[in-house]
Amino acid sequence: SQQGEEDPQALSIQEGENATMNCSYKTSINNLQWYRQNSGRGLVHLILIRSNEREKHSGRLRVTLDTSKKSSSLLITASRAADTASYFCATAARAGNNRKLIWGLGTSLAVNP
Amino acid sequence: DGGITQSPKYLFRKEGQNVTLSCEQNLNHDAMYWYRQDPGQGLRLIYYSQIVNDFQKGDIAEGYSVSREKKESFPLTVTSAQKNPTAFYLCASSIGSGQQYNEQFFGPGTRLTVL
Repeated sequence: SQQGEEDPQALSIQEGENATMNCSYKTSINNLQWYRQNSGRGLVHLILIRSNEREKHSGRLRVTLDTSKKSSSLLITASRAADTASYFCATAARAGNNRKLIWGLGTSLAVNP
Repeated sequence: DGGITQSPKYLFRKEGQNVTLSCEQNLNHDAMYWYRQDPGQGLRLIYYSQIVNDFQKGDIAEGYSVSREKKESFPLTVTSAQKNPTAFYLCASSIGSGQQYNEQFFGPGTRLTVL
């Protein structure tokens, strides 16, 4: 079953605007990861945020994590046409025999020049 | 260059045939994974391997088989028992034990179409 649920499913913005995507999950996690997928390509890891972290930055990317609400957000600032892609969140379960990432369905981002 | 390679990029299969998708990595990673992605969907785990000569079923293993005879290689066979094999197949690897905690590195994918 899919634990991560991203919203919105699709987002269209103009170059230079900020893009915010959200991810909700259901169980306790060790960490949450964000990936980008360009059309027809493999996924690229963007950021990993651990359960004891609240915010993390990488270049124009900012990720927040609220474990009380079981949610995370990915903010892309000053977006560029090259940011056009699908963005997925994936959660790593906190304990037990679950040794796999649980993937959301993704947010499709279109940045218009 | 370090990375993961998958071949072929496109694969066409007739119904009733088995096909094998190749995945090779030179990152010295212990863990490797196979995912299936359908249009507009997230990733579903088929099989994963945390060490050579060992692998585990994922969520949708029926109709698929794997082997892990070498650390660098994790081929996936799509058998005729897989009823709906047309999909995009992604191979990934991660650094090692406790793999759920680590980022995964992905290959470029193989698009399989059943004719």
